[in-house]
Amino acid sequence: AQTVTQSQPEMSVQEAETVTLSCTYDTSESDYYLFWYKQPPSRQMILVIRQEAYKQQNATENRFSVNFQKAAKSFSLKISDSQLGDAAMYFCAYRSVRNLRSGNTPLVFGKGTRLSVIA
Amino acid sequence: DAGITQSPRHKVTETGTPVTLRCHQTENHRYMYWYRQDPGHGLRLIHYSYGVKDTDKGEVSDGYSVSRSKTEDFLLTLESATSSQTSVYFCAITPRVRGTEAFFGQGTRLTVV
Repeated sequence: AQTVTQSQPEMSVQEAETVTLSCTYDTSESDYYLFWYKQPPSRQMILVIRQEAYKQQNATENRFSVNFQKAAKSFSLKISDSQLGDAAMYFCAYRSVRNLRSGNTPLVFGKGTRLSVIA
Repeated sequence: DAGITQSPRHKVTETGTPVTLRCHQTENHRYMYWYRQDPGHGLRLIHYSYGVKDTDKGEVSDGYSVSRSKTEDFLLTLESATSSQTSVYFCAITPRVRGTEAFFGQGTRLTVV
């Protein structure tokens, strides 16, 4: 079974600075997807960014980018120019495509990193 | 927005009572999931469904049952609630499209006293 590890329970960053959240995962598969979700105090789960394992290019979405190291099974999230609205819980998640034909591909989540942004 | 609605949004119940949480979706997705979220544990899969009357257990299924009699509704039941089941419960769907993320409901905060 796949596992996802987020080793930083809490992080903080100064407004306008850059912060990197770490995520490692364990899998024997070669084809999969990785995601970062943001959960603000409203509890809503918001997709931040996704990465396809077969793509070497790191995904970017505005101020959010990832450093995907497939051999090292590492998937870190970099937030540039941090804003107060970035304060939230961030979850790293893995989705296998092995069972995609059956559709049974639940996401596997890490334990989360709580990010605080200091004004 | 994947048209997912959870009810109730908040509930307080007593130990030993049965509780049913409802997840309703409007887009005819086949695959639905129940997760629970606890501090220090992230989101953990309780049960999932891959069609009407087709369900299976996830990582933390003990003490929970599910039912899906219609495509749009996925019910999670705590037969006899315990304090360890105090949590935030999320319903999710994953469209059967390669690479698509999961879409989540708003969550239900359940407190068992």
